[in-house]
Amino acid sequence: SAVISQKPSRDICQRGTSLTIQCQVDSQVTMMFWYRQQPGQSLTLIATANQGSEATYESGFVIDKFPISRPNLTFSTLTVSNMSPEDSSIYLCSVEGVDRFQYFGPGTRLTVT
Amino acid sequence: AQSVTQPDIHITVSEGASLELRCNYSYGATPYLFWYVQSPGQGLQLLLKYFSGDTLVQGIKGFEAEFKRSQSSFNLRKPSVHWSDAAEYFCAVGAYTSGTYKYIFGTGTRLKVLA
Repeated sequence: SAVISQKPSRDICQRGTSLTIQCQVDSQVTMMFWYRQQPGQSLTLIATANQGSEATYESGFVIDKFPISRPNLTFSTLTVSNMSPEDSSIYLCSVEGVDRFQYFGPGTRLTVT
Repeated sequence: AQSVTQPDIHITVSEGASLELRCNYSYGATPYLFWYVQSPGQGLQLLLKYFSGDTLVQGIKGFEAEFKRSQSSFNLRKPSVHWSDAAEYFCAVGAYTSGTYKYIFGTGTRLKVLA
């Protein structure tokens, strides 16, 4: 299994600002994923980040709002831009291991005031 | 379209009692099925998975799940619940799309354990 860390673990931000969340994995992986978990809700896939190519966004999510970088096989960032209170969520990254399972990071708890 | 339904939002059981959490899925092909657990303030931990073969799969922490194709179900069970099992449980189906498996999660079941 892969060990995944995320920074920051939590943050409180003002509306209109942006926050970049980092995801680091301890081994090289091809596929990384970013999810959002709104309060009391399930996980929703934001985008798939494949190293060396543009991220693929799910319906309802756009690059201008959630730009993603994937500079190498162990690291990715998700930026939440021009935040509003509706962006208050837990943001999780996951990676696809060699066994084809997804392993999840601990999440970043974001509160927008 | 693929979907996952967890019909029970909340379940309360007494410690030592048996547990069954329901999960129904909709997927056109043979599904990859998963159960994850999320403790308060924590990330998701994989409990067990089904890809193929034996329809009764064993997981960590004494959990098991049974895949029933005829019922499109993948229910999670534990014979004797411990207080530390209180958490939120998510069922997910892996849908193969564009060269990878995208996970679709159910809405979750929050388990409360009474002492």
